[in-house]
Amino acid sequence: EPEVTQTPSHQVTQMGQEVILRCVPISNHLYFYWYRQILGQKVEFLVSFYNNEISEKSEIFDDQFSVERPDGSNFTLKIRSTKLEDSAMYFCASRSPTPSTDTQYFGPGTRLTVL
Amino acid sequence: AQTVTQSQPEMSVQEAETVTLSCTYDTSESDYYLFWYKQPPSRQMILVIRQEAYKQQNATENRFSVNFQKAAKSFSLKISDSQLGDAAMYFCAYRSGQVNFGNEKLTFGTGTRLTIIP
Repeated sequence: EPEVTQTPSHQVTQMGQEVILRCVPISNHLYFYWYRQILGQKVEFLVSFYNNEISEKSEIFDDQFSVERPDGSNFTLKIRSTKLEDSAMYFCASRSPTPSTDTQYFGPGTRLTVL
Repeated sequence: AQTVTQSQPEMSVQEAETVTLSCTYDTSESDYYLFWYKQPPSRQMILVIRQEAYKQQNATENRFSVNFQKAAKSFSLKISDSQLGDAAMYFCAYRSGQVNFGNEKLTFGTGTRLTIIP
């Protein structure tokens, strides 16, 4: 069964450094999402992406964040200058283009630790 | 803005018994989707079941079923014949049914941690 994959599984970085989190969505999916979950808290929406542009973003997704689909398979989230409060689990999700298929399938997540 | 509330931070159930997890939501929309996701200790988010608001019939997936009460804005998850592998955090989530560009985010509740007692 096709799966969303994410790399790395755990990333440790120093405050102020740039990080890039990578996701490979399910191959025929065209809608992509990033969510984050601070430890012990609920999952929060960051951004949605379709047709090479952001379709929606939350107030969390400020100028420090960017997303990109650099090729036909990868979808990346970049945090330009990490802060301590960026420490969280980051989930990528994707959805099929079929209008009747509304389910978002999640990857296993990347645990980001900012020191 | 839509909100999702899970009022039970923790629940426990004996193995093989039945447990119901509660979820309520607030929305002014008439068309939407509701989901239950499971998050085991590995922290991966796994879809358990989904419900379209326009369908009156409650969704069922093997041992998992929902009780969808649209007027009450309630969406509970029933797990029958609980198994040790069901131990996880369970999140209820809402998505607008208006398939517009930029209107697809999932709004999650705070989760219920389910413990299975052997």
